Amino acid sequence: GQQLNQSPQSMFIQEGEDVSMNCTSSSIFNTWLWYKQDPGEGPVLLIALYKAGELTSNGRLTAQFGITRKDSFLNISASIPSDVGIYFCAGQYGGATNKLIFGTGTLLAVQP
Amino acid sequence: DAGITQSPRHKVTETGTPVTLRCHQTENHRYMYWYRQDPGHGLRLIHYSYGVKDTDKGEVSDGYSVSRSKTEDFLLTLESATSSQTSVYFCAISAGGYQPQHFGDGTRLSIL
Repeated sequence: GQQLNQSPQSMFIQEGEDVSMNCTSSSIFNTWLWYKQDPGEGPVLLIALYKAGELTSNGRLTAQFGITRKDSFLNISASIPSDVGIYFCAGQYGGATNKLIFGTGTLLAVQP
Repeated sequence: DAGITQSPRHKVTETGTPVTLRCHQTENHRYMYWYRQDPGHGLRLIHYSYGVKDTDKGEVSDGYSVSRSKTEDFLLTLESATSSQTSVYFCAISAGGYQPQHFGDGTRLSIL
């Protein structure tokens, strides 16, 4: 099945560092979503992007919807230990089914 | 929290037995989805529902069936469980349009 290309696969950083991850697709999406998943839990929505070029922030998180509508990135500034987890991008076609295509995930580890 | 309850949270069963997983929502959302999450494959859509008694297949639907007799409940059934269906199963809901999906906390299913 289709998956989005998400990079990097994993990151091991020091507390306080900034983090950047991105997602690319061969398909155009109407919506880009970023989720975070903690161990033993379901993905939690962080940011939703609805327009090409849109830049949206949620606290220390900033995400952008690429101009081509085929990519998106997520930045985390001044990382803290609770940022640890797996981050997933997802593209949404919208329409009648609202189905999502997920990225492969980025594992983030933050060392205090 | 998005008002999604998955049950059971954990289950161990034997090959060949039937298994039913339940997703219950309190948001009155039209769309409901079942995913499985496996290492190296990310989240993959099994089946989804766009209304009561309206369901359709996702990308990995073989061996699974679903039913939705009420807006709030979406059931996933493995008619005869196989070891390849050992996975973590997530339910998600969406109001439709371009609204994002929100996920439950998952069911960890082990088939021996």
